[in-house]
Amino acid sequence: DAKTTQPNSMESNEEEPVHLPCNHSTISGTDYIHWYRQLPSQGPEYVIHGLTSNVNNRMASLAIAEDRKSSTLILHRATLRDAAVYYCILNDYKLSFGAGTTVTVRA
Amino acid sequence: EADIYQTPRYLVIGTGKKITLECSQTMGHDKMYWYQQDPGMELHLIHYSYGVNSTEKGDLSSESTVSRIRTEHFPLTLESARPSHTSQYLCASIPTGAFYEQYFGPGTRLTVT
Repeated sequence: DAKTTQPNSMESNEEEPVHLPCNHSTISGTDYIHWYRQLPSQGPEYVIHGLTSNVNNRMASLAIAEDRKSSTLILHRATLRDAAVYYCILNDYKLSFGAGTTVTVRA
Repeated sequence: EADIYQTPRYLVIGTGKKITLECSQTMGHDKMYWYQQDPGMELHLIHYSYGVNSTEKGDLSSESTVSRIRTEHFPLTLESARPSHTSQYLCASIPTGAFYEQYFGPGTRLTVT
């Protein structure tokens, strides 16, 4: 199974952008890149996914490197409600979550 | 929007009891998952199913068992609960034909005394 590597934690100020990196050097050509987040005391929720092209939705943007060995989740204007653990996972049917990146947003 | 239901939400039970955690979804999703998560810790996949009569063990070894007799129902059973089973158990499903946007239930917080 392809694996991902994320920093343990990141801090941001409110209203500033947050760039969350993810390395996936062993990604295969058909693996989708998924991002989920888990707010405190809640189950994970889907954020965004992509294959090759950059993707945007109402929650975030996903920038995928040309060689697909890394990607970056971008929260354009962080709010206190964005404080959560963010998981980058590759598409396998088991959808195994790693440790993720804990994002702290300062007011 | 998928609806995933888990019951009970909270359970405190004594050692040695048999327990079943219920998970059901109303959208006909074929893929269903069980995760275990201790407070502040990583989410671990313990069981998954691709459809009726299909069950597989996940990445974390678990003494629990699961069954998938109906599409909408994916119960998890512990034959003899132990304090080491104290944790939160989260159920999830993915729409048929897709492999993204996993929907999670509210979870069951289990305490074994």
